[in-house]
Amino acid sequence: DGGITQSPKYLFRKEGQNVTLSCEQNLNHDAMYWYRQDPGQGLRLIYYSQIVNDFQKGDIAEGYSVSREKKESFPLTVTSAQKNPTAFYLCASSIQGGKNEQYFGPGTRLTVT
Amino acid sequence: GNSVTQMEGPVTLSEEAFLTINCTYTATGYPSLFWYVQYPGEGLQLLLKATKADDKGSNKGFEATYRKETTSFHLEKGSVQVSDSAVYFCALVSGSARQLTFGSGTQLTVLP
Repeated sequence: DGGITQSPKYLFRKEGQNVTLSCEQNLNHDAMYWYRQDPGQGLRLIYYSQIVNDFQKGDIAEGYSVSREKKESFPLTVTSAQKNPTAFYLCASSIQGGKNEQYFGPGTRLTVT
Repeated sequence: GNSVTQMEGPVTLSEEAFLTINCTYTATGYPSLFWYVQYPGEGLQLLLKATKADDKGSNKGFEATYRKETTSFHLEKGSVQVSDSAVYFCALVSGSARQLTFGSGTQLTVLP
């Protein structure tokens, strides 16, 4: 089955630690995205990548970093510089091109204490 | 810039009631419009889409029509079920933006 996997589903970290969230897709999509969702709110774009070895900042990139070394993988690192990292993180992918729908993974809920 | 405004929730309905969730948008150019659904603790699933004016997207009994004159994309279902309880997001992408712009979401609860 084609799809997007995110791991782990739940993640707990101590304040001051960096943490990396995994996102893998086997849909052969060129574009991948990371969103953050806070309770009762919509999704906000963190980073996106249209092609391997290239990525751009979204609306709330501060305190986050990404890499895109392989087409199928787009890991997100939440650094200690992120002031309020506790949130639900969603990865998505789409066919290259401006107006195509995005397909989402199941999400990772990160709790930092 | 692009923006999406959704009907404030939460919305509570009885089973078999008629559902409307309003969505209006502001966008440059000619956006594609989407409705996504999110069940508790899960990611978003694409429910339906429309890519040009007057297109009607439909899926699982849900419908929405792309109205360019009123910049709207309201979601409707004639008879809701308990299993439709979820959060619904309206979203758009325009050719220049390369990213989805989401509304804030509408929580729907359907009671038996």
